[in-house]
Amino acid sequence: QKEVEQNSGPLSVPEGAIASLNCTYSDRGSQSFFWYRQYSGKSPELIMFIYSNGDKEDGRFTAQLNKASQYVSLLIRDSQPSDSATYLCANRISGGSQGNLIFGKGTKLSVKP
Amino acid sequence: SAVISQKPSRDICQRGTSLTIQCQVDSQVTMMFWYRQQPGQSLTLIATANQGSEATYESGFVIDKFPISRPNLTFSTLTVSNMSPEDSSIYLCSVPRGRRHHEQFFGPGTRLTVL
Repeated sequence: QKEVEQNSGPLSVPEGAIASLNCTYSDRGSQSFFWYRQYSGKSPELIMFIYSNGDKEDGRFTAQLNKASQYVSLLIRDSQPSDSATYLCANRISGGSQGNLIFGKGTKLSVKP
Repeated sequence: SAVISQKPSRDICQRGTSLTIQCQVDSQVTMMFWYRQQPGQSLTLIATANQGSEATYESGFVIDKFPISRPNLTFSTLTVSNMSPEDSSIYLCSVPRGRRHHEQFFGPGTRLTVL
């Protein structure tokens, strides 16, 4: 059974701090990894994707991938109250249909003013 | 990203009835995907809707329960048939984008409550 594991949280950080969200996955053959942000009552919004080992930066967001450890993380610098949401980690299953993303249950982030 | 709309945005239905959810995309796409997000759970892929061929269902999902139509490259429907309270969920369609077509963008979702 291919799985994605995330700490459900809530993760609480003060405004301006760095929020660190972590995710592990079981599908060793997976090559594509995604972070989605989901506000309460809304659909998931893609904020980062990463395909290669190492870091990928986009504005205040940095995704980190370590395929050997089957670990992917998301760092949010200078956290803002508007970043408060549930963050979903997903990876595309190796050998599966193109659409088959496996999602974690999400980590709820709360940024306190 | 893509502009994706879904109808209805929410509905409350009686047990034993069926509901058809529509998904409209602003540009042509080869594949459209249907997901379910049950309360407190992660998203689960139901099926891939292919234009011009039968939908491909994931393990645990069957065509009789979730029939799908894909009449053209910008539109798809998902029907939830013979509903029970366990079908209460958010149903989302998504489309692939990006250089590798691996990134997926989701519609606003349909929140279904079955009484």
